[in-house]
Amino acid sequence: DIQMTQSPSSLSASVGDRVTITCRASQGISIFLAWYQQKPGKAPKSLIYAASSLQSGVPSKFSGSGSGTDFTLTISSLQPEDFATYYCQQYKSYPLTFGGGTKVEIK
Amino acid sequence: EVQLVESGGGLVQPGGSLRLSCAASGFTFSSYWMSWVRQAPGKGLEWVANINPDGNREYYVDSVKGRFTISRDNTKNSLYLQMNSLRPEDTAVYYCANTKPNTVMFDYWGQGTLVTVSS
Repeated sequence: DIQMTQSPSSLSASVGDRVTITCRASQGISIFLAWYQQKPGKAPKSLIYAASSLQSGVPSKFSGSGSGTDFTLTISSLQPEDFATYYCQQYKSYPLTFGGGTKVEIK
Repeated sequence: EVQLVESGGGLVQPGGSLRLSCAASGFTFSSYWMSWVRQAPGKGLEWVANINPDGNREYYVDSVKGRFTISRDNTKNSLYLQMNSLRPEDTAVYYCANTKPNTVMFDYWGQGTLVTVSS
C-alpha cells in the first residue's frame, strides 16, 4: 500500500499569510494526487487533482505542485473561510489512500 | 447541480448488518465510477470501496473485504453499501462520492450518514 504523510499535522496562521502544506508518498505516484478541504461537520470538498489542476469553481489562491513522491498545496493569502483541515489523496494504485490531514487554525 | 444523499445509517450491534444507500442526481450516474469513503469520529478519511459504471468491477480496502459489498442500480440512480459482520472499528460517517472521469479522485461528496457499531 502507498502511505501518504502530510506535514505539518497542524499549523496556526494569520489572515493574509501564505501557507504551504506538504504531502509525501511512500513510493512514486507520478501526478496522481488530489487535495481536499474539510470544514468541521461538513463533507470534504475537492480542490485539486492531477497534483496541480484546479477543480472548477475553486479560487486561484489555491495551487498545487509536485510529482513523484513530494507534493505541496499552497494557499497564497489565507482568508477566514480557508481555516479547515486539508487532506491529500493518491490515486496511483489501490487501495486509494489519504494523508492524515493538516488542520489550519487561526493564530 | 450534483446532489448525493446518503441514508441508512444508525446504531447496530457488533456482528450486525446495515445497508447504506446513496441517491444521486444532477449528473449522468450511469457514466461514473462511484465510491464510499468513511471517517471515524475525530479521525481522517479512509476510502472503503468503489464500483465501475456498469457495476461489474469493484475494489475494496482490505479491512472490509468479505464483509462489505458495494453495488449500484443505474435505473434508480442509486449506490449501495451492504455492511455485514460489523465491528466497533467500522463506526464512522460514511460518505458517497462520484469519481472525476479519467481519475480516481472524489469529485462531489454527499453529506454523510453515521454508522455506530456498539452494544
